[in-house]
Amino acid sequence: QVQLQESGPGLVKPSQTLSLTCTVSGGSISSSTDYWTWIRQPAGKGLEYLGRIYSSGSTNYNPSLKSRVTISVDTSKNQFSLRLSSVTAADTAVYYCARMSDRFDYWGQGALVTVSS
Amino acid sequence: SYDLIQPPSVSVSPGQTATITCSGNKLGDKFACWYQQKPGQSPVLVMYQDTKRPSGIPERFSGSNSGNTATLTISGTQAMDEADYYCQTWDRTTAVFGGGTKLTVL
Repeated sequence: QVQLQESGPGLVKPSQTLSLTCTVSGGSISSSTDYWTWIRQPAGKGLEYLGRIYSSGSTNYNPSLKSRVTISVDTSKNQFSLRLSSVTAADTAVYYCARMSDRFDYWGQGALVTVSS
Repeated sequence: SYDLIQPPSVSVSPGQTATITCSGNKLGDKFACWYQQKPGQSPVLVMYQDTKRPSGIPERFSGSNSGNTATLTISGTQAMDEADYYCQTWDRTTAVFGGGTKLTVL
């Protein structure tokens, strides 16, 4: 059973960079044919797709955030990471990592990140 | 960009059939998925490739997708089905989610 767990700072100052890591257990990122993704959800609102990465390092990002999002992978640690630059209060949300084939079938529990000075 | 439109809320009596719709331009030409999210929990996949149920999802959940509308149907709705439901599809390489529908079981 694949499990994903987000980790990282829960508070980020405006204009700084948000960084989160997703640790995958129960399966290997490098041997998987799936993509590894980040999705966020502001409080009381819907889901927003941020982007995805393949084990090779190939990435695709949501065009609405493309200039600020970077997703990377560390197969030796079975982890992948999110960096979101120049954050504002509007980036305050629960951030989920998820495994994706043509659907999001395994999700992490989510990490709340608050952008505030 | 591609938009998916869901009704904000749907109400159903226990034991009745709940129907949640998701509308998008030529959505029937794409695959649709559905996710269930209960308060304080991560979303759970309940339907993929329009009509397929993941392992562990009750048979009372079914799906369809044709024309501009995908539909999630819950037959014999139970109190435990009360949740937010999100549809999702793909616009090229970008996942698109609907705004979500709050299902209330009265």
